[in-house]
Amino acid sequence: SQKIEQNSEALNIQEGKTATLTCNYTNYSPAYLQWYRQDPGRGPVFLLLIRENEKEKRKERLKVTFDTTLKQSLFHITASQPADSATYLCALERGSQGNLIFGKGTKLSVKP
Amino acid sequence: DTGVSQDPRHKITKRGQNVTFRCDPISEHNRLYWYRQTLGQGPEFLTYFQNEAQLEKSRLLSDRFSAERPKGSFSTLEIQRTEQGDSAMYLCASSLEAGGAHEQFFGPGTRLTVL
Repeated sequence: SQKIEQNSEALNIQEGKTATLTCNYTNYSPAYLQWYRQDPGRGPVFLLLIRENEKEKRKERLKVTFDTTLKQSLFHITASQPADSATYLCALERGSQGNLIFGKGTKLSVKP
Repeated sequence: DTGVSQDPRHKITKRGQNVTFRCDPISEHNRLYWYRQTLGQGPEFLTYFQNEAQLEKSRLLSDRFSAERPKGSFSTLEIQRTEQGDSAMYLCASSLEAGGAHEQFFGPGTRLTVL
């Protein structure tokens, strides 16, 4: 069955630096890979989606890459701010139904 | 507010009791999903509906769990004979199936504590 690993449980960086989060999967390459942000006590919020035939996607300070050979996605936040502190979840779509398989998440802390 | 809403936000119950949660999706969305999340884990898929039809159930969903979506609008998730292991955040999400990618919009969740 598909397994997803996010490289670290926690990542601490200094304000202004680029945060890079990793998502690795073990089995088939999904058609889509999604990234969500989750704040404590709240539901996840969609950030970006990348298709298997796309190498890179950008949205403001966010960038996602998708390497189906390495079975890996990287999520970058440039010019990070303390407000970016949250847990970031990687998710793969399973089949055509749209239900998502999530990683455990990486908790990002941006220090001023 | 036109987002996904869930009720109640918190529920404390004693082991063996039945509980029911409600989810109101974004009105034009035809897909509705239920997930469960425990501390330090990502959400785990439980079940999903397309309109009023329940199309898939996870093996996580024991026969104590039942979900409905009458008329393809709001949905309810019932847990019978609750156990301490059912303590978790129950998340509802909705999406619009229009071919292609399925960005999901999540509600705030219902936090269940079973004593």
